[in-house]
Amino acid sequence: SQQGEEDPQALSIQEGENATMNCSYKTSINNLQWYRQNSGRGLVHLILIRSNEREKHSGRLRVTLDTSKKSSSLLITASRAADTASYFCAIDTGGFKTIFGAGTRLFVKA
Amino acid sequence: DAMVIQNPRYQVTQFGKPVTLSCSQTLNHNVMYWYQQKSSQAPKLLFHYYDKDFNNEADTPDNFQSRRPNTSFCFLDIRSPGLGDAAMYLCATNWGTGGPDTQYFGPGTRLTVL
Repeated sequence: SQQGEEDPQALSIQEGENATMNCSYKTSINNLQWYRQNSGRGLVHLILIRSNEREKHSGRLRVTLDTSKKSSSLLITASRAADTASYFCAIDTGGFKTIFGAGTRLFVKA
Repeated sequence: DAMVIQNPRYQVTQFGKPVTLSCSQTLNHNVMYWYQQKSSQAPKLLFHYYDKDFNNEADTPDNFQSRRPNTSFCFLDIRSPGLGDAAMYLCATNWGTGGPDTQYFGPGTRLTVL
């Protein structure tokens, strides 16, 4: 399967702590994206990292990409209760198909 | 300023009774996608339209059909829903230009099959 594999499946942290989620995949990619999904809602795009980039920042988000290891990580710094959601990596291999991982469910305790 | 709108947000249907889910967009994007997402699982692509060109995923059951009458609207038809079709159905859009391109998702329609 080309699907992104995410770990951990679930993560529970205290407000103010950092949260790290990992994504591994099996095929060559054009880019990798991270999306967020609040319970019972649609997905919201967070950040896109191209295959020739190694690190990208957006506010409290930091994404790394290691194409040699076929892996990516999403770091959320100084987490807030409002960050509680599911986070999905999505790989773009070209064409119109974006393949989503099963997601990491993050719970931030106030 | 909603960009991708899905109606209804919740749909209840009976086993075998046809149902249609609706998606509209104000972004004028070329591509519209339909995903199925079951509880705690990844969204699974069912099909997409690039403009009027329909592209079905190989493993999408024949029970699922789609229509795109114009740029703004796309419909998902489930001809004979089974209990296994209960899921969240997500519509998404993007330009489909071939470069790095994010998808804009609607809020989803939660389908219950009784």
